[in-house]
Amino acid sequence: KAGVTQTPRYLIKTRGQQVTLSCSPISGHRSVSWYQQTPGQGLQFLFEYFSETQRNKGNFPGRFSGRQFSNSRSEMNVSTLELGDSALYLCASSLAPGNAQGHTLWATTNGYTFGSGTRLTVV
Amino acid sequence: SQQGEEDPQALSIQEGENATMNCSYKTSINNLQWYRQNSGRGLVHLILIRSNEREKHSGRLRVTLDTSKKSSSLLITASRAADTASYFCATAAMNTGFQKLVFGTGTRLLVSP
Repeated sequence: KAGVTQTPRYLIKTRGQQVTLSCSPISGHRSVSWYQQTPGQGLQFLFEYFSETQRNKGNFPGRFSGRQFSNSRSEMNVSTLELGDSALYLCASSLAPGNAQGHTLWATTNGYTFGSGTRLTVV
Repeated sequence: SQQGEEDPQALSIQEGENATMNCSYKTSINNLQWYRQNSGRGLVHLILIRSNEREKHSGRLRVTLDTSKKSSSLLITASRAADTASYFCATAAMNTGFQKLVFGTGTRLLVSP
Protein backbone atom coordinates (compact mmCIF):
# COMPACT_ATOMS: atom_id res chain seq x y z
CA LYS A 1 0.00 0.00 0.00
CA ALA A 2 1.13 3.57 -0.55
CA GLY A 3 3.13 5.20 2.20
CA VAL A 4 2.84 8.63 3.70
CA THR A 5 3.15 11.28 1.00
CA GLN A 6 4.44 14.74 1.72
CA THR A 7 4.49 17.56 -0.76
CA PRO A 8 6.44 19.46 -1.78
CA ARG A 9 9.79 17.78 -1.13
CA TYR A 10 11.76 21.00 -1.18
CA LEU A 11 10.74 24.60 -0.74
CA ILE A 12 12.57 27.90 -0.61
CA LYS A 13 10.73 30.87 0.83
CA THR A 14 11.60 34.41 1.81
CA ARG A 15 11.30 35.79 5.31
CA GLY A 16 7.83 37.13 5.99
CA GLN A 17 6.11 34.83 3.53
CA GLN A 18 3.79 32.03 4.47
CA VAL A 19 3.93 28.38 3.46
CA THR A 20 1.58 25.42 3.37
CA LEU A 21 2.81 21.84 3.52
CA SER A 22 0.71 18.82 2.71
CA CYS A 23 0.60 15.29 4.06
CA SER A 24 -1.43 12.34 2.85
CA PRO A 25 -1.43 9.52 5.39
CA ILE A 26 -1.64 5.82 4.74
CA SER A 27 -5.13 4.80 3.77
CA GLY A 28 -7.12 3.99 6.88
CA HIS A 29 -4.85 5.92 9.22
CA ARG A 30 -6.78 8.60 11.05
CA SER A 31 -4.02 10.17 13.09
CA VAL A 32 -1.55 12.57 11.51
CA SER A 33 1.28 14.16 13.46
CA TRP A 34 3.77 16.81 12.43
CA TYR A 35 7.35 17.17 13.59
CA GLN A 36 10.04 19.73 12.94
CA GLN A 37 13.65 18.61 12.70
CA THR A 38 16.55 21.02 12.96
CA PRO A 39 20.23 20.43 13.72
CA GLY A 40 19.99 22.52 16.86
CA GLN A 41 16.71 21.36 18.40
CA GLY A 42 16.40 17.89 16.91
CA LEU A 43 12.95 16.43 16.41
CA GLN A 44 10.22 18.51 17.97
CA PHE A 45 6.51 17.71 18.08
CA LEU A 46 4.30 20.30 16.39
CA PHE A 47 0.76 18.94 16.57
CA GLU A 48 -1.41 15.89 16.04
CA TYR A 49 -4.78 15.56 14.35
CA PHE A 50 -7.32 12.85 14.65
CA SER A 51 -10.63 12.85 12.81
CA GLU A 52 -10.22 16.51 11.82
CA THR A 53 -9.57 17.61 15.41
CA GLN A 54 -6.30 18.86 16.82
CA ARG A 55 -5.74 16.70 19.87
CA ASN A 56 -2.32 17.84 20.98
CA LYS A 57 -0.02 20.74 20.25
CA GLY A 58 3.64 21.24 20.87
CA ASN A 59 5.40 24.32 22.14
CA PHE A 60 5.45 26.36 18.96
CA PRO A 61 4.22 29.90 18.33
CA GLY A 62 0.82 30.58 16.84
CA ARG A 63 2.42 31.14 13.44
CA PHE A 64 2.37 27.37 13.14
CA SER A 65 -1.05 25.95 12.45
CA GLY A 66 -2.59 22.97 10.79
CA ARG A 67 -5.75 21.22 9.86
CA GLN A 68 -7.03 17.84 8.83
CA PHE A 69 -9.63 17.07 6.23
CA SER A 70 -12.34 14.45 6.23
CA ASN A 71 -10.16 12.13 4.15
CA SER A 72 -7.45 12.39 6.86
CA ARG A 73 -5.11 14.42 4.66
CA SER A 74 -3.46 17.16 6.65
CA GLU A 75 -1.88 20.50 5.96
CA MET A 76 0.33 22.63 8.11
CA ASN A 77 0.82 26.31 7.61
CA VAL A 78 3.56 28.63 8.79
CA SER A 79 2.92 32.33 8.51
CA THR A 80 5.39 35.19 8.65
CA LEU A 81 8.34 32.91 8.06
CA GLU A 82 11.55 33.45 10.00
CA LEU A 83 15.04 32.20 9.19
CA GLY A 84 14.79 29.84 12.15
CA ASP A 85 11.86 28.05 10.55
CA SER A 86 14.25 26.44 8.10
CA ALA A 87 13.94 22.77 8.85
CA LEU A 88 12.85 19.36 7.70
CA TYR A 89 9.14 19.01 8.40
CA LEU A 90 8.03 15.44 8.89
CA CYS A 91 4.53 14.07 8.87
CA ALA A 92 3.63 10.77 10.46
CA SER A 93 0.48 8.73 10.30
CA SER A 94 -0.78 6.08 12.65
CA LEU A 95 -3.68 3.74 12.87
CA ALA A 96 -4.21 5.11 16.37
CA PRO A 97 -7.51 3.53 17.24
CA GLY A 98 -9.18 5.70 19.79
CA ASN A 99 -11.96 5.49 22.29
CA ALA A 100 -15.06 7.62 22.25
CA GLN A 101 -13.07 10.58 23.55
CA GLY A 102 -10.53 10.23 20.78
CA HIS A 103 -7.84 9.00 23.12
CA THR A 104 -5.31 6.64 21.66
CA LEU A 105 -5.57 3.02 22.62
CA TRP A 106 -1.86 2.50 22.95
CA ALA A 107 -2.20 -1.22 23.40
CA THR A 108 -3.06 -1.56 19.75
CA THR A 109 -0.71 1.05 18.35
CA ASN A 110 2.32 -0.20 16.52
CA GLY A 111 4.29 2.89 15.81
CA TYR A 112 4.22 5.59 13.22
CA THR A 113 4.86 5.70 9.51
CA PHE A 114 6.71 8.80 8.46
CA GLY A 115 6.80 10.55 5.15
CA SER A 116 10.05 11.62 3.49
CA GLY A 117 9.58 15.15 4.72
CA THR A 118 9.52 18.63 3.27
CA ARG A 119 12.80 20.50 3.39
CA LEU A 120 11.96 24.17 3.95
CA THR A 121 14.62 26.81 3.53
CA VAL A 122 13.84 30.38 4.53
CA VAL A 123 16.14 33.02 3.04
CA SER B 1 12.85 20.32 24.89
CA GLN B 2 13.86 16.79 24.12
CA GLN B 3 13.27 14.17 26.72
CA GLY B 4 15.61 11.47 25.54
CA GLU B 5 19.33 11.47 25.53
CA GLU B 6 21.18 8.96 23.43
CA ASP B 7 24.62 7.61 23.86
CA PRO B 8 26.91 7.56 22.05
CA GLN B 9 26.28 10.53 19.77
CA ALA B 10 28.26 8.80 17.06
CA LEU B 11 29.48 5.25 16.56
CA SER B 12 31.83 3.91 13.91
CA ILE B 13 32.25 0.16 13.43
CA GLN B 14 33.21 -2.41 10.83
CA GLU B 15 30.77 -4.63 8.97
CA GLY B 16 29.98 -7.74 10.93
CA GLU B 17 30.43 -6.10 14.31
CA ASN B 18 27.60 -5.40 16.72
CA ALA B 19 26.37 -1.88 17.42
CA THR B 20 24.80 -0.87 20.73
CA MET B 21 23.00 2.40 21.29
CA ASN B 22 21.57 3.59 24.56
CA CYS B 23 18.66 5.88 25.32
CA SER B 24 17.65 7.48 28.59
CA TYR B 25 14.41 9.29 29.25
CA LYS B 26 12.90 11.28 32.07
CA THR B 27 9.23 10.55 32.63
CA SER B 28 7.03 7.48 32.87
CA ILE B 29 6.21 6.02 29.51
CA ASN B 30 3.61 3.88 27.85
CA ASN B 31 6.00 2.62 25.21
CA LEU B 32 9.37 3.34 23.64
CA GLN B 33 10.07 3.19 19.93
CA TRP B 34 13.21 3.14 17.85
CA TYR B 35 13.48 4.78 14.46
CA ARG B 36 16.14 4.96 11.76
CA GLN B 37 16.79 7.96 9.54
CA ASN B 38 18.93 7.94 6.43
CA SER B 39 20.59 11.20 5.41
CA GLY B 40 17.91 13.61 6.61
CA ARG B 41 15.08 11.66 5.03
CA GLY B 42 11.98 10.35 6.76
CA LEU B 43 12.07 8.17 9.82
CA VAL B 44 11.58 4.44 9.55
CA HIS B 45 9.94 2.66 12.45
CA LEU B 46 12.10 -0.22 13.67
CA ILE B 47 10.57 -1.59 16.81
CA LEU B 48 8.20 -0.71 19.66
CA ILE B 49 8.56 -2.00 23.17
CA ARG B 50 5.83 -1.49 25.74
CA SER B 51 6.44 -0.49 29.33
CA ASN B 52 5.54 -3.95 30.60
CA GLU B 53 8.08 -5.63 28.30
CA ARG B 54 11.76 -6.02 29.06
CA GLU B 55 13.18 -7.31 25.80
CA LYS B 56 12.09 -7.57 22.22
CA HIS B 57 13.66 -8.97 19.06
CA SER B 58 13.12 -8.24 15.42
CA GLY B 59 15.54 -9.82 12.96
CA ARG B 60 19.01 -8.48 13.79
CA LEU B 61 17.57 -5.98 16.26
CA ARG B 62 17.34 -6.50 19.99
CA VAL B 63 15.79 -3.88 22.24
CA THR B 64 15.80 -3.86 26.01
CA LEU B 65 13.86 -1.62 28.34
CA ASP B 66 14.56 -0.91 31.98
CA THR B 67 11.78 1.26 33.34
CA SER B 68 13.38 1.46 36.79
CA LYS B 69 16.42 3.12 35.24
CA LYS B 70 14.39 4.88 32.54
CA SER B 71 16.67 3.53 29.87
CA SER B 72 16.62 1.43 26.74
CA SER B 73 19.21 -0.05 24.45
CA LEU B 74 19.18 -1.03 20.80
CA LEU B 75 21.54 -3.73 19.64
CA ILE B 76 22.15 -4.32 15.95
CA THR B 77 23.95 -7.59 15.40
CA ALA B 78 26.18 -8.45 12.45
CA SER B 79 26.00 -4.91 11.12
CA ARG B 80 26.05 -4.10 7.43
CA ALA B 81 27.06 -1.00 5.50
CA ALA B 82 23.36 -0.46 4.80
CA ASP B 83 22.79 0.04 8.53
CA THR B 84 24.62 3.35 8.31
CA ALA B 85 22.07 5.90 9.49
CA SER B 86 20.96 7.93 12.49
CA TYR B 87 18.97 6.08 15.11
CA PHE B 88 16.46 7.73 17.41
CA CYS B 89 14.56 6.54 20.41
CA ALA B 90 11.13 8.04 20.99
CA THR B 91 8.90 7.76 24.00
CA ALA B 92 5.14 7.89 24.30
CA ALA B 93 4.21 9.38 27.63
CA MET B 94 2.17 7.55 30.22
CA ASN B 95 -1.12 8.86 31.46
CA THR B 96 -2.10 10.58 28.33
CA GLY B 97 -4.36 9.43 25.60
CA PHE B 98 -2.85 11.76 23.10
CA GLN B 99 -0.38 10.94 20.41
CA LYS B 100 2.91 12.61 21.06
CA LEU B 101 6.37 11.19 20.71
CA VAL B 102 9.36 12.75 22.41
CA PHE B 103 12.52 11.98 20.51
CA GLY B 104 16.03 11.52 21.74
CA THR B 105 19.04 13.30 20.34
CA GLY B 106 19.98 10.38 18.11
CA THR B 107 23.04 8.24 17.48
CA ARG B 108 24.83 8.45 14.15
CA LEU B 109 26.03 5.01 13.15
CA LEU B 110 28.67 4.52 10.47
CA VAL B 111 29.33 0.97 9.33
CA SER B 112 32.40 0.61 7.15
CA PRO B 113 32.84 -2.26 4.68
